[in-house]
Amino acid sequence: QVQLQESGPGLVKPSQTLSLTCTVSGGSISSGDYYWSWIRQPPGKGLEWIGYIYYVGSTDYNPSLKSRATMSVDTSKNQFSLKLNSVTAADTAVYYCARETLRGQVFAFDFWGQGTLVTVSS
Amino acid sequence: EIVLTQSPANLSLSLGERATLSCRASQTLSRFLAWYQQKPGQAPRLLIYDTSYRATGIPARFSGSGSGTDFTLTISSLEPEDSAVYYCQQRSKWRTFGQGTKLEIK
Repeated sequence: QVQLQESGPGLVKPSQTLSLTCTVSGGSISSGDYYWSWIRQPPGKGLEWIGYIYYVGSTDYNPSLKSRATMSVDTSKNQFSLKLNSVTAADTAVYYCARETLRGQVFAFDFWGQGTLVTVSS
Repeated sequence: EIVLTQSPANLSLSLGERATLSCRASQTLSRFLAWYQQKPGQAPRLLIYDTSYRATGIPARFSGSGSGTDFTLTISSLEPEDSAVYYCQQRSKWRTFGQGTKLEIK
């Protein structure tokens, strides 16, 4: 069974960079059958897709965050990461990493991490 | 950007009743509309993929239908554990989620 686990600071100061890592276990991040995404959820609000990375390093981002978000992958550690710069209080949210399956007909987020709350505050 | 509008925002029904949740897209979706269930303090769980296929382990009382711009999630006979927020999601252009329908079981 695939498991995803987010890690990183729970508190970030305004204007600084938010950095999170997702560690994948129970499966290889290098499989060509998946995209690896970050999705966030402000407290009491809905879900917002941030972007995905493919194991070879190709990425796609939500246009609303593209100028501030950077994703990377480390296949040797079975991890992928998110950096979001110039954060403000509006970036306070639970951040989830998730796997999007590309094979068969699934093409959806079938495995999620438990989420990690990141608060932007001085 | 494709906007997904879910209705109703809130739904309160009794045990055993049928729930019908709607998701309307601002543009025609090629395929691959999904539905997720989220309970408080938990990550979303995939219920339905490609409009009408149940994900692994999802009970048969959950079903999905629709095409084009109009999609529906139906729960045929509500159980207490179905109380949750339900989101639709598209991947025709980037990825976007609806704003959610909160389902309460009376």
